[in-house]
Amino acid sequence: GNSVTQMEGPVTLSEEAFLTINCTYTATGYPSLFWYVQYPGEGLQLLLKATKADDKGSNKGFEATYRKETTSFHLEKGSVQVSDSAVYFCALGPYDYKLSFGAGTTVTVRA
Amino acid sequence: GAVVSQHPSWVICKSGTSVKIECRSLDFQATTMFWYRQFPKQSLMLMATSNEGSKATYEQGVEKDKFLINHASLTLSTLTVTSAHPEDSSFYICSARALWGTSGSVGRVNEQFFGPGTRLTVL
Repeated sequence: GNSVTQMEGPVTLSEEAFLTINCTYTATGYPSLFWYVQYPGEGLQLLLKATKADDKGSNKGFEATYRKETTSFHLEKGSVQVSDSAVYFCALGPYDYKLSFGAGTTVTVRA
Repeated sequence: GAVVSQHPSWVICKSGTSVKIECRSLDFQATTMFWYRQFPKQSLMLMATSNEGSKATYEQGVEKDKFLINHASLTLSTLTVTSAHPEDSSFYICSARALWGTSGSVGRVNEQFFGPGTRLTVL
């Protein structure tokens, strides 16, 4: 079956630091990969997605590349801000139906 | 746009009682709604998928008589935890999948929009 493993947190960074959150997956077929973000008190929001191998998803300065050879979809941002403090979830699924989620990584950015 | 609300945001109940959680899509119509359960520091686990006007499809291991799901309209789904026990205490999250052409942007059709979750504590 499908499963997602993402790095455990919490992660604490200073503003303008580089952020990487690792995500690896196991899946049958050719799933789409997603990163969701959950800000305090809000629902999960789609941050970016990639639907096939070598695709790069990007949004709000975040990027992730669908690597089939390493079954990974690591999230990166070159210079984080305090407003990026949130919980980040890696997920996979056929399109965005019946998603399988990672455990979530809490990121705190300090000024 | 594409806002999903849940009510209540948190609830405490006594063991043996039933609790109803509502999930509403506020500004779009949802053909499909999903119910997830999340334990502390764990991933979201899909419980069931509900389509408007039909019976919900439950994931393996989820008791359908325990977690009753009703999707009465294109904007409302409810989850009722019947005869709740302390082990049912959890964070319940719903999501809604937009009906074609109603989410305001073609690029967002079929995207899941998540509610903020409901914290259930059973004493």
